[in-house]
Amino acid sequence: NAGVTQTPKFRVLKTGQSMTLLCAQDMNHEYMYWYRQDPGMGLRLIHYSVGEGTTAKGEVPDGYNVSRLKKQNFLLGLESAAPSQTSVYFCASSSDRADNSPLHFGNGTRLTVT
Amino acid sequence: DAKTTQPNSMESNEEEPVHLPCNHSTISGTDYIHWYRQLPSQGPEYVIHGLTSNVNNRMASLAIAEDRKSSTLILHRATLRDAAVYYCILRAGNTGTASKLTFGTGTRLQVTL
Repeated sequence: NAGVTQTPKFRVLKTGQSMTLLCAQDMNHEYMYWYRQDPGMGLRLIHYSVGEGTTAKGEVPDGYNVSRLKKQNFLLGLESAAPSQTSVYFCASSSDRADNSPLHFGNGTRLTVT
Repeated sequence: DAKTTQPNSMESNEEEPVHLPCNHSTISGTDYIHWYRQLPSQGPEYVIHGLTSNVNNRMASLAIAEDRKSSTLILHRATLRDAAVYYCILRAGNTGTASKLTFGTGTRLQVTL
C-alpha cells in the first residue's frame, strides 16, 4: 500500500519555466490537497479538491493551477515559475469524513526556482 | 475558519511526559480536533483526533477541555524520535462544508537526554 506518492522529489526551474507536480493516492480518498511549506510559516493550503472533477482555492492560490481529472490523481501546475515559488510542496488526501479519516501526506517535492 | 494557537517551542527530557497545549477558542460544535507531527525532511503524519471525549492511541493521548476551547496532546514518555513540529488543527465534521484545514506554525518539540 503506497499511500500518497509525489513526483518528482526534487526539481530546479528557471524563472518563467513551467512544470507539473503529480500526486497519486491509492486509498480511494475523495479529498485531496496541495500545501506549500516555507521556513517559519507552517503549511499553507494552495488548492484542494473535494472529489473528481472539482477544485477550489485555498489560502495562497495565485500562480498555481490544479486539475483532478481522475479520483486518484491531483496535479499542481506552475505556468510561469517565479523565485517566490521556491518551496517544499506537500500533497495530502483524506476521506470525506473528519471523524474517521486522518490526512495522509506525501513526502514532498522540493522546488527551487532560480 | 476557526484558528488554533500553540506555543512556538517546548523542551522535554527523554522518558518524561510531555503536554503540548492548543487553544481554539472559536471552535464550532462540529469541528474535530486533529493533531499531526512533522519530523525533519518528512511530510506531516497523523497523531490523534477527537471531538469531545478524551482519546488514547498507541502514539499519544488527547485531552479535550469541557468547553472544547482548548486541548492538550500528551506524549506519555518522550523519546528522541518524538522531536518534531506538532500541529493542532480543526477539521469540520460537516461533510457539506469543504474543510480548508489550516495549519499554523505548530510547536517545535525538543527532546534531550
